[in-house]
Amino acid sequence: QLQLQESGPGLVKPSETLSLTCTVSGGSINSGSSYWGWIRQPPGKGLEWIGSIHYSGSTYYNPSLKSRVTISVDASKNQFSLKLSSVTAAHTAVYYCARQDLSTVTIDYWGQGTLVTVSS
Amino acid sequence: QTVVTQEPSFSVSPGGTVTLTCGLSSGSVSTGHYPSWYQQTPGQAPRTLIYNTNTRSSGVPDRFSGSILGNKAVLTITGAQADDESDYYCVLYMGSGIWVFGGGTKLTVL
Repeated sequence: QLQLQESGPGLVKPSETLSLTCTVSGGSINSGSSYWGWIRQPPGKGLEWIGSIHYSGSTYYNPSLKSRVTISVDASKNQFSLKLSSVTAAHTAVYYCARQDLSTVTIDYWGQGTLVTVSS
Repeated sequence: QTVVTQEPSFSVSPGGTVTLTCGLSSGSVSTGHYPSWYQQTPGQAPRTLIYNTNTRSSGVPDRFSGSILGNKAVLTITGAQADDESDYYCVLYMGSGIWVFGGGTKLTVL
């Protein structure tokens, strides 16, 4: 059973860079049919797709966040990461990592989510 | 920018049938958007219900079904139960690796 687990600081200061890592277990990140993505949910609000990466390194970003976001993959560690630069309080959210299966075009595995608060 | 629309809230009586919709601010939803639906209860990660318009994810009861009606994707819950009270999100694949979530529908069962 594939499992995903987010890790990283729960508190980030305004104007700094938010950095999170997702560790994949129970399967390989080197799966041709998988994209590995990040999704966020501000408190009391809806879900927003941030972006995805394929193990080959191809990346896809939400156009509204593209200028701030970098997603990378470390296949040797079965991990992928998110960096969101110049954060503000508006970036306070639960951040989920997830697998997006290209063969079924669905998000089929989710991490439990991690709350990141942007505050000084 | 593409906006995926959902009803903010909906109410259904226990045992009743409810149809939640997923549309586009401009244009029609088609099977080519591979609509998928997710259920989320407070404090939990979303759970996949339906993918590729009408395929139920493993373990999802058959009272949940998906389809295209007119220019929207729809999620129908037949015989609603108390534990169906959740937030429901649709996601559309826009091509070129871009996915867009709808704003979500808060379903109340009462």
